[in-house]
Amino acid sequence: ETGVTQSPTHLIKTRGQQVTLRCSSQSGHNTVSWYQQALGQGPQFIFQYYREEENGRGNFPPRFSGLQFPNYSSELNVNALELDDSALYLCASSGEDSGPKNIQYFGAGTRLSVL
Amino acid sequence: RKEVEQDPGPFNVPEGATVAFNCTYSNSASQSFFWYRQDCRKEPKLLMSVYSSGNEDGRFTAQLNRASQYISLLIRDSKLSDSATYLCVVRNTGNQFYFGTGTSLTVIP
Repeated sequence: ETGVTQSPTHLIKTRGQQVTLRCSSQSGHNTVSWYQQALGQGPQFIFQYYREEENGRGNFPPRFSGLQFPNYSSELNVNALELDDSALYLCASSGEDSGPKNIQYFGAGTRLSVL
Repeated sequence: RKEVEQDPGPFNVPEGATVAFNCTYSNSASQSFFWYRQDCRKEPKLLMSVYSSGNEDGRFTAQLNRASQYISLLIRDSKLSDSATYLCVVRNTGNQFYFGTGTSLTVIP
């Protein structure tokens, strides 16, 4: 196990609603990255937080937003949900102990269904 | 153009076979390279990092060709437990990871 935990594991929402997904990073890791993985696709980078600041963003609209807290846990918020937001949302953490390659360790994900 | 491109497969091979996966990346400034494995409905897990000189871990061999921006993974003596999706991953200078779509492998008894 990686020590990265995500909640909830599953979620069902309707179009137009808002959702908050949570991630606790592995102990000692100060960087959290969020990914969206649609069925049959690889994970797509949403954004990354490093020491509470956004540190890079992928090609996602502003209705995808996030936070990182002083304990390095993180939230992903999605407003005005669309059907295409249905996916597995993965959180990954990394830190100084990840080595020079900054290996990322993933949580089990939150599976979001938008109806 | 996508950051990372992979042949999605599927690859269906008999036990004991050797199988190779390939991947190309578009950003010549990419810093680090990895292969992750993802089992059905599970999270990706690191299989191995890829070093410029090539590296081996048991039955798995990874190669990197920076000039051609090409990464490969070779699996020898395939086991049933190797059945999974193999994701090619590239880390850029901004420390973000970019994933390919994954290559599906099924090892058949």
